[in-house]
Formats: sequence, C-alpha cells, structure tokens
Amino acid sequence: EAQVTQNPRYLITVTGKKLTVTCSQNMNHEYMSWYRQDPGLGLRQIYYSMNVEVTDKGDVPEGYKVSRKEKRNFPLILESPSPNQTSLYFCASSYLAGGQETQYFGPGTRLLVL
Amino acid sequence: KQEVTQIPAALSVPEGENLVLNCSFTDSAIYNLQWFRQDPGKGLTSLLLIQSSQREQTSGRLNASLDKSSGRSTLYIAASQPGDSATYLCAVSPNPFSSGSARQLTFGSGTQLTVLP
Repeated sequence: EAQVTQNPRYLITVTGKKLTVTCSQNMNHEYMSWYRQDPGLGLRQIYYSMNVEVTDKGDVPEGYKVSRKEKRNFPLILESPSPNQTSLYFCASSYLAGGQETQYFGPGTRLLVL
Repeated sequence: KQEVTQIPAALSVPEGENLVLNCSFTDSAIYNLQWFRQDPGKGLTSLLLIQSSQREQTSGRLNASLDKSSGRSTLYIAASQPGDSATYLCAVSPNPFSSGSARQLTFGSGTQLTVLP
C-alpha cells in the first residue's frame, strides 16, 4: 500500500531535549516536505526537499533541521525544542507526472513540549 | 504572497442536506487547487484536484468548482451523511515546474463540518 508513515504519532517532551520525528514514503517520490498545523493558522511549511541531499527552508524553519540521505526518508529534527513548537506535524511527499502533482500526507505527529 | 481563506470556519447541518463550502485565494496565478479532508487524529486525504484550466471536478457526492479569475472555489456535498463530518481544507499550488519553495501548497484554515444524524 502506498503511504507516508510518521513516528512517533504522539510525543511529550521537555524544553531542550533533542528529538527526531521520522518520515518515510514507499512511493519513490522525489519531493518531500514538513508542515506544522496550528489552530487558526492552517498548515505552514517548515522544510522541503527536492531530492536526496537537496533541502531548503519553507516558511517557518526556525528551530528545526532536516536531512535527506535516502529518497524514502526525511526526518525532522528539533535540536532544542521549545514550548512554541508544540503543534501537529505532517510529512508529505509528491511526484510530478504529466503535469499533475498530488501530495500525499502522513497521519501526523502531535508534539507537546513542556 | 498567496493567502487562502475558508468560510465558514465551522458548519453544522442535519443529515441529508446539500451544502457548500467556500474557499477564496488572493493570487489567481495558481496551477491547481486541491480539497482535502482531515479527520481527528488522522492525516489529510486528498478529495479532489482541479487544474487551473478546469472548471470543476466530481467524485461521488462531491463536486468542486473553480473560478480562477475571481479567486474562488466551492466544494459541494450532496445528501450529507454523519460520516462526512470532518475538517475540509483547500490548498492552492503554484506551478510544479517551479523550483523549491515555489512548489509548496498554501492552505486555508479549514471548515469544520458536523453532520447531525
């Protein structure tokens, strides 16, 4: 089954304790991205990756890092989490074919930073 | 910068009603528009994608229209059911042949729909 998976699904942590949220897709998509969703603000892009070893900032990159060593994986790293990073995080991947690009989203990771 | 607005933010209707959700965007230079469904605790599921050259798309009881020149889209749900209860998000995308962040989706804040049995 074609899918985007994220782990963990739920995470409670404390300020300053490094964490990683994993994202993996099995569709051989080149483009992957991370979004955060906050009430009243919709989804905002954090980072994106055009392909292996190619990553760049989205709209709200501060406090986050990413890496793309393999095509299927795109982990999101919070080196020193802060309470304002409490949010719902989504990983997405997409493939461009025939001019059409449909994005596939993971199930989300709900993060609480105390 | 592209902005997407969805009205209303929440909507409650009795089962069986036909309903319309609205989406507006400020920059008409879009490549396509997608409607997503989001269930609590779950990710986003793509419902319909309308290319900028199209006027509407249909899938079952769902019909999405696009008026690119006026910056508007509507999602029509016929004969609503309790199982339709969810948050509906619209998102616009620029030209996918653009590089980098130019490909990112811009989302509205969503309309939370409750269909009462």
